[in-house]
Amino acid sequence: GESVGLHLPTLSVQEGDNSIINCAYSNSASDYFIWYKQESGKGPQFIIDIRSNMDKRQGQRVTVLLNKTVKHLSLQIAATQPGDSAVYFCAENILNRDDKIIFGKGTRLHILP
Amino acid sequence: DTAVSQTPKYLVTQMGNDKSIKCEQNLGHDTMYWYKQDSKKFLKIMFSYNNKELIINETVPNRFSPKSPDKAHLNLHINSLELGDSAVYFCASSDLGFGEKLFFGSGTQLSVL
Repeated sequence: GESVGLHLPTLSVQEGDNSIINCAYSNSASDYFIWYKQESGKGPQFIIDIRSNMDKRQGQRVTVLLNKTVKHLSLQIAATQPGDSAVYFCAENILNRDDKIIFGKGTRLHILP
Repeated sequence: DTAVSQTPKYLVTQMGNDKSIKCEQNLGHDTMYWYKQDSKKFLKIMFSYNNKELIINETVPNRFSPKSPDKAHLNLHINSLELGDSAVYFCASSDLGFGEKLFFGSGTQLSVL
């Protein structure tokens, strides 16, 4: 099976709260991780990436944390807004598998009013 | 102005028919991909081309044949369509080859009746 997985298939968060979406990977050879956001009826859209020589990277309202010790990746969204409703995918690049991106199963994020 | 565009957006057809999905990118990328997304939102790579050369050919039926007339286009032709081919097909492109962020089209929802 695929090495990238998510702990929660669905996450409901109150508007204005912070969201944390988690992802586990199994291959310690992976050296590049990406988060994508897919809104309904659209293709996945790049949010943020991180390489294995880093443990944290910040973007606009988003932060990705990488814990190589436990092979865990998380996406934190600050002050969640209705427009954040989407399915979020983590993906990894496994270098010894023809460098292709492997996607996890996705987490649906619901924003509660 | 659409970076990666694919047509048609919806495709409804009968079993046994042959159909094509077209994809074009105006980003100047060298690498293009086809991904299949099933009803559970799982994304799986099918093919990738680098500058018109087939690089990745996953285990897909040989009824699926990609064609790249130039590096800006990657079309997908499907022969003898089956019920199990029903899915959303995404075209994508990337800049630096493998392992870099993907730019996706908006998808083609294929329904085989």
